[in-house]
Amino acid sequence: NAGVMQNPRHLVRRRGQEARLRCSPMKGHSHVYWYRQLPEEGLKFMVYLQKENIIDESGMPKERFSAEFPKEGPSILRIQQVVRGDSAAYFCASSPADRDYNEQFFGPGTRLTVL
Amino acid sequence: QKEVEQDPGPLSVPEGAIVSLNCTYSNSAFQYFMWYRQYSRKGPELLMYTYSSGNKEDGRFTAQVDKSSKYISLFIRDSQPSDSATYLCAMRTPGFKTIFGAGTRLFVKA
Repeated sequence: NAGVMQNPRHLVRRRGQEARLRCSPMKGHSHVYWYRQLPEEGLKFMVYLQKENIIDESGMPKERFSAEFPKEGPSILRIQQVVRGDSAAYFCASSPADRDYNEQFFGPGTRLTVL
Repeated sequence: QKEVEQDPGPLSVPEGAIVSLNCTYSNSAFQYFMWYRQYSRKGPELLMYTYSSGNKEDGRFTAQVDKSSKYISLFIRDSQPSDSATYLCAMRTPGFKTIFGAGTRLFVKA
């Protein structure tokens, strides 16, 4: 059973370009979470999605950032008009159906560098 | 004040030592307490989780939660060089939103 998959693993963009990060959850998992990790900092929650629904996006910047989890295909985190401060590691996690506690399984991350 | 405080280290110990990692928190609504291990350039992997207060042991790892003091600990016995990693504490209320500490970098010297 493959784990959470993220691609690309490394992404380089120039200021003003768009970045698209993809996450395929573990088989049987319908919940996806995106986190951002800056150097020397812990993971910061960004958004929680279920298929075709955004459940909570309270951690996501109001501008330039968006996320989706379509009925078919991977979850996408989209960053428009990237700036240097967007450089970070972005991790996706998935979990099975909603219960009080569900272990979140993390992918290997996408490291975004903005030049 | 951050919701979860964790000393970033680094912490350097000799092989075989007992390691103690700690976090404090301010939100009394947290009920699930987790420890993740993250190797360089990898995603976090769950080591242990505890519901509410108490101790939990798994091999060389012991997790403790003291809700009255808002303090959690992870102990690693007989530490090995392969334990060298960043250890992240994390906490949740019932639901999904997980708050992570900044992580403590651990180096175990052979």
